[in-house]
Amino acid sequence: KAGVTQTPRYLIKTRGQQVTLSCSPISGHRSVSWYQQTPGQGLQFLFEYFSETQRNKGNFPGRFSGRQFSNSRSEMNVSTLELGDSALYLCASSGGRGADTQYFGPGTRLTVL
Amino acid sequence: GDSVTQMEGPVTLSEEAFLTINCTYTATGYPSLFWYVQYPGEGLQLLLKATKADDKGSNKGFEATYRKETTSFHLEKGSVQVSDSAVYFCALRDTNAGKSTFGDGTTLTVKP
Repeated sequence: KAGVTQTPRYLIKTRGQQVTLSCSPISGHRSVSWYQQTPGQGLQFLFEYFSETQRNKGNFPGRFSGRQFSNSRSEMNVSTLELGDSALYLCASSGGRGADTQYFGPGTRLTVL
Repeated sequence: GDSVTQMEGPVTLSEEAFLTINCTYTATGYPSLFWYVQYPGEGLQLLLKATKADDKGSNKGFEATYRKETTSFHLEKGSVQVSDSAVYFCALRDTNAGKSTFGDGTTLTVKP
C-alpha cells in the first residue's frame, strides 16, 4: 500500500505570496491532519479533515486554510506569506473517525524569502 | 489542554548502550500514546503505540509501557545502534477531538 504523499517536496516563495500544498492520504483513509514543524515551536497542529469537513483547528491565523476533496485528498493554503511561515509542513492520514494511528508523509519544506 | 513533556536532549550514547527517553503527559480523557521517529529530511515514522493503561508497545527492539498512574510513556531500548540516531517524538492522540499533541522531540546520537 502506498504511503502518504505530499507535493511539492520543496517550495521557495517571497513574502506576500500565497502557496498551496497537497496531500494524498493512504488509500482508504478518510482523515487528514496538517502540522507545522519549526525548530522554535516544534510540531504544531493546524487542522484535521474528515469526510470533507474540518473537524478541528489549531491556533493559527485565518491566513492558513485547508480543504478536503471527496477522494480524501487534501490541500492547505497559506495566503500573504510571512517570513515566519518558513517550516516543514507535514500531512498525516488515519483510517477514519476514531481511528487513532496517524501515518505521516515526508513533508513539504516551505521557505519564505 | 493536553500536553506532552519529553526529556531534554540531545542524548549521546555509545553503540550497545541502554537507552531511556522519558515522556510524561497531561490529558483530560483517555488518549492513545505514540512514539514517532524522524530521520533527517524525512517525515515522522510510527515507532510504536499503546492504546490503554498497562499496554506495552514494542518495535525494532524499542519498548514503552502506558503508565496511567504516573502519566508516563518512557521509551527504552536495551542496545542502541548507530542507525538509531534520529529525533524521537512522544505524542498523545485524543481521537474524540481529532488532534495529536507532540513533545518537543529528543535528538539521539549513537557513536560507534
